[in-house]
Amino acid sequence: QVKLVESGGGVVQPGGSLRLSCAASGFTFSRFAMHWVRQAPGKGLEVVAFIQYYESDKYYADSVKGRFTISRDNSKNTLYLQMDTLRPEDTAVYYCVKGDWAVDYWGRGTLVTVSS
Amino acid sequence: QTVVTQEPSLTVSPGGTVTLTCASSTGAVTSGNYPSWFQQKLGQAPRSLIHSASNRHSWTPARFSGFLLGGKATLTLSDVQPEDEADYYCLLYFGGARVFGGGTKLTVL
Repeated sequence: QVKLVESGGGVVQPGGSLRLSCAASGFTFSRFAMHWVRQAPGKGLEVVAFIQYYESDKYYADSVKGRFTISRDNSKNTLYLQMDTLRPEDTAVYYCVKGDWAVDYWGRGTLVTVSS
Repeated sequence: QTVVTQEPSLTVSPGGTVTLTCASSTGAVTSGNYPSWFQQKLGQAPRSLIHSASNRHSWTPARFSGFLLGGKATLTLSDVQPEDEADYYCLLYFGGARVFGGGTKLTVL
């Protein structure tokens, strides 16, 4: 069965960096686009970044453009989100999500807290 | 900045029918926006319900139906069950951009 397991969350000071990982299994990872979606405490969902299966096509929300980088290693079935220059408003649960226009599976999420 | 609008909250009785809508600030929602719908229960990760306006995933109960109607994407829940109480989000695609609606809190009462 499809499994998406996020890791790498934690507490970081403003201006700091974190790298999130998403280990994928149960499907041919290299054939599917992937998203990172976040949800701030008590708030709605926001697409943070997207990457096509062939890696060259990426999308970033305006709120993270220039600070976050999405990447993938198809040989390791793993999706990444490098988050730099973190701000308190980046505090959220970050979900790894499979699919392009037909999003289907979600991970359970990893919590990122940006606080001094 | 494109804004996607949903009803903030709706209430429905058990066994009843309710329709949630998803509108775009750029104009009519079309199949080219690939409307998707998601359900999120308290303390859980979201779950995908509908993609491409009207296509259910294999796990989506038949009482959930998606349509394009009156320039909006809609999600209709029929024979509502107590376990359908949740937040519901739509997602629209605008070329490269992907924008969620603010969500609808559905209360079953």
